[in-house]
Amino acid sequence: GAGVSQTPSNKVTEKGKYVELRCDPISGHTALYWYRQSLGQGPEFLIYFQGTGAADDSGLPNDRFFAVRPEGSVSTLKIQRTERGDSAVYLCASSREGGDTGELFFGEGSRLTVL
Amino acid sequence: AQSVTQLDSHVSVSEGTPVLLRCNYSSSYSPSLFWYVQHPNKGLQLLLKYTSAATLVKGINGFEAEFKKSETSFHLTKPSAHMSDAAEYFCVVRHYNQGGKLIFGQGTELSVKP
Repeated sequence: GAGVSQTPSNKVTEKGKYVELRCDPISGHTALYWYRQSLGQGPEFLIYFQGTGAADDSGLPNDRFFAVRPEGSVSTLKIQRTERGDSAVYLCASSREGGDTGELFFGEGSRLTVL
Repeated sequence: AQSVTQLDSHVSVSEGTPVLLRCNYSSSYSPSLFWYVQHPNKGLQLLLKYTSAATLVKGINGFEAEFKKSETSFHLTKPSAHMSDAAEYFCVVRHYNQGGKLIFGQGTELSVKP
């Protein structure tokens, strides 16, 4: 009965470095979402996958951010040339199906700190 | 565009007293509305959801919310607060054709005093 698993739970990096954050969704869930939560704010949508393809990437802030889900299960969020403003908790969620009815199950997040 | 506004950033109640967390939404179409709870160092957990069925929605842990279209509100209530209710609460809207894209409010931190 594993839930959504995110690794690492904490990541400290230096400005300009490259970072990868991994999300392992609940088995059988076809939809996967990435959100970003800054301190004192609600989560903000980044990208949504249905299967292997990005169904909506309108929330990615710029081209330094990229996400993949090559086999329709595990997803990796990639951040190039990190900036201090990228510091946040990155949340992953999955649901059994996309669309308007699927309940989202969230992981505990990966806390990224850019020094 | 849809959005949610949580009217209080912080609410403090005494144990055993009622809880009211206020939320107003903006949407051009019939929205799906949710309340999520986030305990420290835990993942977001769904409390309840409204998807155009009954306007009074019951959730887990004794929470409920009422959808009022005329007031564009979806306030969260609980008759009697428990210490374990202390957490951050998020009101969330999802547009009917936006798939899983959820729009979160800023959050309300609930404190419960003994």
